[in-house]
Amino acid sequence: NAGVTQTPKFQVLKTGQSMTLQCAQDMNHEYMSWYRQDPGMGLRLIHYSVGAGITDQGEVPNGYNVSRSTTEDFPLRLLSAAPSQTSVYFCASSPLLRGLGSYEQYFGPGTRLTVT
Amino acid sequence: AQTVTQSQPEMSVQEAETVTLSCTYDTSESDYYLFWYKQPPSRQMILVIRQEAYKQQNATENRFSVNFQKAAKSFSLKISDSQLGDAAMYFCAYRAGGGADGLTFGKGTHLIIQP
Repeated sequence: NAGVTQTPKFQVLKTGQSMTLQCAQDMNHEYMSWYRQDPGMGLRLIHYSVGAGITDQGEVPNGYNVSRSTTEDFPLRLLSAAPSQTSVYFCASSPLLRGLGSYEQYFGPGTRLTVT
Repeated sequence: AQTVTQSQPEMSVQEAETVTLSCTYDTSESDYYLFWYKQPPSRQMILVIRQEAYKQQNATENRFSVNFQKAAKSFSLKISDSQLGDAAMYFCAYRAGGGADGLTFGKGTHLIIQP
């Protein structure tokens, strides 16, 4: 299993450009989420999904869109990039059923995004 | 809303010694999970240990153990026989039971291992 994969690993954007960060998982997890990590901060939740067709906002959703058309994929869209969105972005997934390790989230390797 | 506080921005320990990282949290839930994640310079988030709130027994994984004090809402991580590979950022995280919420993270503790 590849686990959680993210592309690209690095990206530089100009202010106002749009892009999509890709996330995929091959563990058949119902739950997927996006976090951002800024210097001196822990990870903060942007958006999450509990299954295909269902998404919801986290702590810092402004400026980001998500959709979930399949169990495997959960892309994050920046519609008009701003310097404040310079950050490291992590995608994570987990099962929803209670059980051993069921609430552990598995993280992708992260995408470092710079907006100039 | 729940909060997670790590009061030690940086800790230093001699190789082979023991170090304890502190974490406190605030929640009104009774069903929740607590985690310690390690983030080395590669930036990969690696689960170190987990604790279910309904379990009284403290979790242990090899050299890593927790001291879970539910009434005090405290969840510290003890690393025994510290190794150079333990050097990393360590994040304490909370997740409510039910699974629909994400993780709430503390700001992290930078652990330095002195050879």
